[in-house]
Amino acid sequence: SAVISQKPSRDICQRGTSLTIQCQVDSQVTMMFWYRQQPGQSLTLIATANQGSEATYESGFVIDKFPISRPNLTFSTLTVSNMSPEDSSIYLCSVEDGQGFYGYTFGSGTRLTVV
Amino acid sequence: DQQVKQNSPSLSVQEGRISILNCDYTNSMFDYFLWYKKYPAEGPTFLISISSIKDKNEDGRFTVFLNKSAKHLSLHIVPSQPGDSAVYFCAAFTGNQFYFGTGTSLTVIP
Repeated sequence: SAVISQKPSRDICQRGTSLTIQCQVDSQVTMMFWYRQQPGQSLTLIATANQGSEATYESGFVIDKFPISRPNLTFSTLTVSNMSPEDSSIYLCSVEDGQGFYGYTFGSGTRLTVV
Repeated sequence: DQQVKQNSPSLSVQEGRISILNCDYTNSMFDYFLWYKKYPAEGPTFLISISSIKDKNEDGRFTVFLNKSAKHLSLHIVPSQPGDSAVYFCAAFTGNQFYFGTGTSLTVIP
């Protein structure tokens, strides 16, 4: 299965600033996903990022707040913009490597604290 | 609206005993149900799955049971080992989307 390198692993940020999270995959994958896990909540899909097209956002998430880039088949970034304490969460990227639901791999996550 | 629920945030079990983790769901259209295991500072990793047309799937020490009439599934770990201590996420899959529970933190006491 694919191996994902996600950076940074954690960060503490001031409110009003932005943080960009990177995911690098060791193989080419078509679909990449970004999730958020707020404290005490489930993993929630933010958006799906396919190379060469605009990311598709789930209900409750907008591009201005969570812009995503997908410049090639092995890399994606998620930016958390104009942060507030409510954005304090774990953010994870995930890829599907063509094996159906067995083939979903997750990054190690980014623990974001906004103060 | 939470479509997959894990009502027990934590569970402690003695080594060698059975661990039972529970999960409830609301959508009868889910195709597959999965359990993921997550260690600190690592991403969730796939553990075991079950198709919606089956009621049991076994893989070594891990067995998942599905009760569709009750919209309930459970993960049994027998015998439990200290290395099983982790957070376990229940997930439902349909189309290209996962729906995750909030996780249950399992501690296996040596």
